[in-house]
Amino acid sequence: AQTVTQSQPEMSVQEAETVTLSCTYDTSENNYYLFWYKQPPSRQMILVIRQEAYKQQNATENRFSVNFQKAAKSFSLKISDSQLGDTAMYFCAFMKQGTYKYIFGTGTRLKVLA
Amino acid sequence: EAGVAQSPRYKIIEKRQSVAFWCNPISGHATLYWYQQILGQGPKLLIQFQNNGVVDDSQLPKDRFSAERLKGVDSTLKIQPAKLEDSAVYLCASSLDPGAQGTQYFGPGTRLLVL
Repeated sequence: AQTVTQSQPEMSVQEAETVTLSCTYDTSENNYYLFWYKQPPSRQMILVIRQEAYKQQNATENRFSVNFQKAAKSFSLKISDSQLGDTAMYFCAFMKQGTYKYIFGTGTRLKVLA
Repeated sequence: EAGVAQSPRYKIIEKRQSVAFWCNPISGHATLYWYQQILGQGPKLLIQFQNNGVVDDSQLPKDRFSAERLKGVDSTLKIQPAKLEDSAVYLCASSLDPGAQGTQYFGPGTRLLVL
């Protein structure tokens, strides 16, 4: 069975600085997708970024980028130029290709400080 | 494009009572999911529908939880009777598949408190 581990329950960062959130996963599958979702205090989960396992190039979306290390089964999220609106819970999720079923980590609560 | 709608947003009930949650997915999304998110934890999948058929309900406590998706659009999730440990946020999500590489779109959730 697949598992997703987020080892940082809480983090804080100063506005405009860079922060990296960690995620590791365990799977024997070769074809899968990885996701980072953001859940602000209003609780609606929003997709931040997605990575296909077959792609070696790390995904980027504006200020958000990932460091995907397939062999190490690591999928960290880097937020550059942090903004107050980035304050939220961040969840890492794994999906085996073809299942459309997510396995979530326990989340990292990120607080951006003014 | 309208997002995933859920109601009610909040519900407080006594243990042993019943409760129902409603979800309207994004138009055209074939797959619908119900998750349970207990405070401090990540969402846990309860049930997954593909159109109006159940794909996965392996983690649904079937002695007290039930869900249906009539006509492959709206869905309801029911708990009867509720227990204290059912206090959680119930999230509904939908996805357009095949295609879209598995991206799920979430509703605002229903926060349930069982007293």
